[in-house]
Amino acid sequence: SQTIHQWPATLVQPVGSPLSLECTVEGTSNPNLYWYRQAAGRGLQLLFYSVGIGQISSEVPQNLSASRPQDRQFILSSKKLLLSDSGFYLCAWKPGQPETQYFGPGTRLLVL
Amino acid sequence: GENVEQHPSTLSVQEGDSAVIKCTYSDSASNYFPWYKQELGKRPQLIIDIRSNVGEKKDQRIAVTLNKTAKHFSLHITETQPEDSAVYFCAASRRGNEKLTFGTGTRLTIIP
Repeated sequence: SQTIHQWPATLVQPVGSPLSLECTVEGTSNPNLYWYRQAAGRGLQLLFYSVGIGQISSEVPQNLSASRPQDRQFILSSKKLLLSDSGFYLCAWKPGQPETQYFGPGTRLLVL
Repeated sequence: GENVEQHPSTLSVQEGDSAVIKCTYSDSASNYFPWYKQELGKRPQLIIDIRSNVGEKKDQRIAVTLNKTAKHFSLHITETQPEDSAVYFCAASRRGNEKLTFGTGTRLTIIP
């Protein structure tokens, strides 16, 4: 069966510091991968998605970037965090078909 | 692009009563409609989904109905229980589109 991992689970970072969040999927190959952000009490904002190694689509222009160095690995990065980057970061994966997305456990980020 | 509207934003229901959450979508080509449940501090989890070739789908106390003509779909929860308290998200996508468009969420509270 497929599983999705995210780390770290929680992170407290100062404003202006760099960020690296990692997501890996097991038990599948060539999945679509997604990064979402959820502000406290709010909905799901799609940040990036990838349909293959090195292929990244950006949904929202901001100080974040994403990379997919391996088939089942998706990384979210920032060079300088802002206060507004605080939130719950969710990675999700989807097989080519059907359309269902499955979410990872999330990383809770607090920028102070 | 697709736009999904979800109502109500909050819903309080007496335990044992039914709850209904409604979503409308804009893209007539959308053909896949999942519902996710997100408990406090947890990841969204798929609870039921429906495709456009079906008008209704049931899974125990949960059902989803789809009206393609009116472009709306609804989640029905019968005999509500305290563990049904959560935020529920609807979403829509169409074949060939790698993204899900999410509604803004409904916070359901079951009153004991």
